[in-house]
Amino acid sequence: DADVTQTPRNRITKTGKRIMLECSQTKGHDRMYWYRQDPGLGLRLIYYSFDVKDINKGEISDGYSVSRQAQAKFSLSLESAIPNQTALYFCATSVSGFSEGETQYFGPGTRLLVL
Amino acid sequence: GNSVTQMEGPVTLSEEAFLTINCTYTATGYPSLFWYVQYPGEGLQLLLKATKADDKGSNKGFEATYRKETTSFHLEKGSVQVSDSAVYFCALSDPFSNDYKLSFGAGTTVTVRA
Repeated sequence: DADVTQTPRNRITKTGKRIMLECSQTKGHDRMYWYRQDPGLGLRLIYYSFDVKDINKGEISDGYSVSRQAQAKFSLSLESAIPNQTALYFCATSVSGFSEGETQYFGPGTRLLVL
Repeated sequence: GNSVTQMEGPVTLSEEAFLTINCTYTATGYPSLFWYVQYPGEGLQLLLKATKADDKGSNKGFEATYRKETTSFHLEKGSVQVSDSAVYFCALSDPFSNDYKLSFGAGTTVTVRA
């Protein structure tokens, strides 16, 4: 079984709808991240969380919100979806503690299309 | 701020050809450097990393050397296979920052033909 899972894998929604993307991990990592991937732009950080009570905005948090329901679960919500939020969304995890070269582990991604 | 610039693709090669993907970075501190690979339909996975100047990361026949003097971390493989077709991302992380976030390059699509 995969260590980092995302649901759904694909989603089509309409402008103005609220949707939630979910991420679960079995790696026991404290830190979790949400990124979006757009062609030619690489990955950009939306939100990150260092533990259940710690939520932080990333580079492009406008229009998004998150919830860290448990150490293993980190959800991303689009409050009112718009077409330019069409993208591939990735969840990632990493272990806490000072560590040079900290590695992040990615889920398989959720492909979202907003019509 | 931190940023990564990598060569634009797409890159198309024949099997057994030599591959190099250029990556340069800008950082205020002493970053750790990574190459991630994304195979079709999959998430990103770590290919290799280097944490200090002159370190060489290697994995699956790929290599990259952390060059502080040229702020570069170029990815190389001497003989590519069809299975190396993927998108490759250069990234950096500043271990002295508060967020440990990864700053990614735009990605380079590599296609290897039989």
